[in-house]
Amino acid sequence: KNEVEQSPQNLTAQEGEFITINCSYSVGISALHWLQQHPGGGIVSLFMLSSGKKKHGRLIATINIQEKHSSLHITASHPRDSAVYICAVPRSNFGNEKLTFGTGTRLTIIP
Amino acid sequence: DAGVTQSPTHLIKTRGQQVTLRCSPKSGHDTVSWYQQALGQGPQFIFQYYEEEERQRGNFPDRFSGHQFPNYSSELNVNALLLGDSALYLCASSLEKGARTEAFFGQGTRLTVV
Repeated sequence: KNEVEQSPQNLTAQEGEFITINCSYSVGISALHWLQQHPGGGIVSLFMLSSGKKKHGRLIATINIQEKHSSLHITASHPRDSAVYICAVPRSNFGNEKLTFGTGTRLTIIP
Repeated sequence: DAGVTQSPTHLIKTRGQQVTLRCSPKSGHDTVSWYQQALGQGPQFIFQYYEEEERQRGNFPDRFSGHQFPNYSSELNVNALLLGDSALYLCASSLEKGARTEAFFGQGTRLTVV
């Protein structure tokens, strides 16, 4: 069993739909990262959160430390949101320790 | 602020050769981590540098080595390249002080070994 698991692996939705991507982890963490990777490879950090909820524009991330689960939501999805979304956790209780990545969720938004 | 910059962006090498990849961290960051991302896979941790020393290492052979300079920039060296070393190499920088700072990633260097 992977230490960080994401679901679904692939997600195709119509423009405007509400999107949810889930991440479960089995190790103790201090914080969880949500990242976005576009074709070509560059990774953009979307959120780092250790409790509760964060919101940036149409993106919302929540985390439940007790249940070891986090979700990334996209409201009013747009084709430019099409990318791979990855959750990552540090391997120790220090936020900057090496990250273990989930397998990623490939999101495709159809106009 | 240029963020994290990596060079080169693309590179083709022959099996058995050596390669050096470079990373400049985001301004103010002092910690650099390197990751290898094979096609269709998630990134795998190679090692992390802080205060010019390798602080942590993933499951990579000694052919993978690195260096951090006083200005916090870093190099990743791979010797005796194998076809399986073909991947996207990502550099991430963060700030050590304050345990929970975001990691910022570069665009990566795509290495192809032929």
